[in-house]
Amino acid sequence: EVQLVESGGGLVKPGGSLRLSCAASGFTFTNAWMNWVRQAPGKGLEWVGRIKSKTDGGTTDYAAPVKGRFTISRDDSKNTLYVQMNSLKTEDTAVYFCAAGYYYGRVWGQGTLVTVSS
Amino acid sequence: SYVLTQPPSVSVAPGQTARITCGGHNVGTKVVHWYQQKPGQAPVLVVYDDSDRPSGIPERFSGSNSGNTATLTISRVEAGDEADYYCQVRDSSSAHLVFGGGTKLTVL
Repeated sequence: EVQLVESGGGLVKPGGSLRLSCAASGFTFTNAWMNWVRQAPGKGLEWVGRIKSKTDGGTTDYAAPVKGRFTISRDDSKNTLYVQMNSLKTEDTAVYFCAAGYYYGRVWGQGTLVTVSS
Repeated sequence: SYVLTQPPSVSVAPGQTARITCGGHNVGTKVVHWYQQKPGQAPVLVVYDDSDRPSGIPERFSGSNSGNTATLTISRVEAGDEADYYCQVRDSSSAHLVFGGGTKLTVL
C-alpha cells in the first residue's frame, strides 16, 4: 500500500523553528519528486515547495512566502522527506501535507498541524 | 504569478450533474489537475492531465479544459461527493504549483 505519514508538527513561538518529516512506503521513493503543501485553518491549499529526485538533479523550488526560511531535503536511505522551517511567523500556521508527484499530488499524507503562536 | 479562479460554492441535487469551473488566462494551454477534499481529510486526486482518472475514481468524475476555463464534471451526484474541490496547474514561468481557491460542493 502506498503511504505517506507526516510527523513533527506542534506549537512553536514566532521566530522559532520546527522540522517536519514525511515517511514514505509502498513505492520507489528514490524516483519520486516530493512536494509540501499547506492549508491554513479554514483556507485553501497552498504549495510550499518541491524537491526533485536525485536522478533528476535533486533541486528544490520554493513558494515566495517561505523562500529563504524553509529548506526541503530528503534521505533516500530512510525513504523520508523533510522540511526545516525557520523564522516561523503566525501566518505559517497550517496543516502541512506531503505529496508525491511530478507536477501534481498523486499521493498525499494525512497532514501534520503546525501552530505558530506566542 | 498565475491565478486560478473557482466559484466558492456549487449546489446540486442528488442524481444531477455538477460542474465546477476553474478559470485562468489561457488555462487551456496548461495541464489541469483536480482534487477532492472532505472535512478533516487529505486531498485526493480525482482527475489529472485535464481528463484522466486515477484508478479507483468512479467514471462519474470527468474533466475538460479549453480556452480560459477548465471544468470538473461530476455525473449522477451522490451525497458522498459533498466536499471541497480544488483545481491545480503548474505555472510554466516558475514551475511552481498553483491551486485554485477551492469550491465547496453541496448536495441538496
